[in-house]
Amino acid sequence: GDSVTQMEGPVTLSEEAFLTINCTYTATGYPSLFWYVQYPGEGLQLLLKATKADDKGSNKGFEATYRKETTSFHLEKGSVQVSDSAVYFCALIVSQGGSEKLVFGKGTKLTVNP
Amino acid sequence: DSGVTQTPKHLITATGQRVTLRCSPRSGDLSVYWYQQSLDQGLQFLIQYYNGEERAKGNILERFSAQQFPDLHSELNLSSLELGDSALYFCASSVSGQETQYFGPGTRLLVL
Repeated sequence: GDSVTQMEGPVTLSEEAFLTINCTYTATGYPSLFWYVQYPGEGLQLLLKATKADDKGSNKGFEATYRKETTSFHLEKGSVQVSDSAVYFCALIVSQGGSEKLVFGKGTKLTVNP
Repeated sequence: DSGVTQTPKHLITATGQRVTLRCSPRSGDLSVYWYQQSLDQGLQFLIQYYNGEERAKGNILERFSAQQFPDLHSELNLSSLELGDSALYFCASSVSGQETQYFGPGTRLLVL
């Protein structure tokens, strides 16, 4: 079935460091791909998305490119801040017979130290 | 603020009890989804409703049920609660189809 694999955490970085969180997927067809972020004690927020191959999603300095050849959607940020400390989830949407559901990776916890 | 509201925010109850979680979708969204987040299972899809009709079921236990009302709010009913049901339950909504799902703040359930 459809699945998402993302790098295990936790990831600890210093402020202004470069961030990459790897995400690969297995899916039938070409699903839309998402990154959600969960700040401590809060719900899930959409960070960015891409709906077709070679699309680049971007938001708040984060970027991810939908790579069909490598079935990947890696999250990157050039210079992280303490406020980026959170858990990041990669997800794809599975559509079947008029229904949809999100399939999530296990999440990667990021801690940014000043 | 996503525009999706969930109540209550926290719920503490005992094994064997029944609880109801409530969700109001964003204005205009017809689809409502329920997800469970636990430490061992991660984020898992439970069930989807679209304009009052059940559209898809995921890993939802038979002790759990849901419905979507004419005003489009949804309720998730959990009965005969077990310790392992302790988790964060999220509701999400979308317009339809492949549209982005927007999540509520969640209800944290603790079964003692």
